[in-house]
Amino acid sequence: DTAVSQTPKYLVTQMGNDKSIKCEQNLGHDTMYWYKQDSKKFLKIMFSYNNKELIINETVPNRFSPKSPDKAHLNLHINSLELGDSAVYFCASSLQGSYEQYFGPGTRLTVT
Amino acid sequence: ILNVEQSPQSLHVQEGDSTNFTCSFPSSNFYALHWYRWETAKSPEALFVMTLNGDEKKKGRISATLNTKEGYSYLYIKGSQPEDSATYLCAFIKGAQKLVFGQGTRLTINP
Repeated sequence: DTAVSQTPKYLVTQMGNDKSIKCEQNLGHDTMYWYKQDSKKFLKIMFSYNNKELIINETVPNRFSPKSPDKAHLNLHINSLELGDSAVYFCASSLQGSYEQYFGPGTRLTVT
Repeated sequence: ILNVEQSPQSLHVQEGDSTNFTCSFPSSNFYALHWYRWETAKSPEALFVMTLNGDEKKKGRISATLNTKEGYSYLYIKGSQPEDSATYLCAFIKGAQKLVFGQGTRLTINP
């Protein structure tokens, strides 16, 4: 009965590769988010989708492209991976109008 | 204050003692403030969402207060237990449901 799930949990890949991280929520929420935990351990918002529509797009390289096939899924595709992309990426979801966000377990991406 | 600042960054407390830590945030254009509890290798878990000046919330031994005029919130833990060991994050809502997180206070309870 996982609320927000992410796959994979760990991802090790080489520079220059293209990879995707998937997120799914079964809470009936209509808004989903991607966060990156940076080297200083801050959680920073990258993207947010509401009903499959992009509503927050922070200053993130074009190599990062979110895709929301439906309200329950938000995937993150990363092209031409760089060493600096190594981080933990968290997905979250919420109901529009509610401030409370529910987080997934995170995906640890390591680029070698 | 332009961002969210939390202090102290880390804290060691003896089991049974009470403790508190601070979150400072921009006092203008306030929407809401969150407190999250984040255990190692797990997801951040929501503790409180606070929206009104003077709000006080309580969950078991943990409580929080909010002062939106001066831009701070305190989290209190009474009678600390080893299971309280975690990083406590506060996050400020910056419109469009965008959370801006502080760096967190890493709490360790010594048995």
